[in-house]
Amino acid sequence: NAGVTQTPKFQVLKTGQSMTLQCAQDMNHNSMYWYRQDPGMGLRLIYYSASEGTTDKGEVPNGYNVSRLNKREFSLRLESAAPSQTSVYFCASSRDFQPYNEQFFGPGTRLTVL
Amino acid sequence: AQTVTQSQPEMSVQEAETVTLSCTYDTSESDYYLFWYKQPPSRQMILVIRQEAYKQQNATENRFSVNFQKAAKSFSLKISDSQLGDAAMYFCAYRSASGNQFYFGTGTSLTVIP
Repeated sequence: NAGVTQTPKFQVLKTGQSMTLQCAQDMNHNSMYWYRQDPGMGLRLIYYSASEGTTDKGEVPNGYNVSRLNKREFSLRLESAAPSQTSVYFCASSRDFQPYNEQFFGPGTRLTVL
Repeated sequence: AQTVTQSQPEMSVQEAETVTLSCTYDTSESDYYLFWYKQPPSRQMILVIRQEAYKQQNATENRFSVNFQKAAKSFSLKISDSQLGDAAMYFCAYRSASGNQFYFGTGTSLTVIP
């Protein structure tokens, strides 16, 4: 039982390049989330998927797109990376979208955009 | 918009002593959920404790307890009998009853002194 896994762990991009961050969970969870964490700030919600087949914007969605590929996988895409997107990205999942439910987090992806 | 404030960027505690981490939040909602998450150096976030706003009784999980003051919009975390493994960044988080708003504070870095 690996929990929430993310790939890659580290990535360096040039401005304008695109990439997709992958996230998968093996806990049969219905809901999945993408966050970014910047120095001196807490996590900020980018997008979430309350259930398979649905996605919604969070607090900071601009510059990102997401795909809920199936129940297990939820990817985050940067179409044209900008230095402002340099951050650590966390994926999380929860049993369902009930607000009381614990979110389980992945280990993060450290992204640098030059 | 809801905000979560952690006014103590850094705290330290002697091993086996007690420490309290502060958190205040701003909301116009009457029903919501509050969380404390721990982020050790490995970066993976772990849920420490959670509180439902409509429950007056303070949540407790082993050595971790909260002091929830709804009128004051305060949600502090008390760690008793501190252990070396408690050293981490601690984040206070707010989630709306609808579930689609999730806000984290900026974190408190806790050092445990042997």
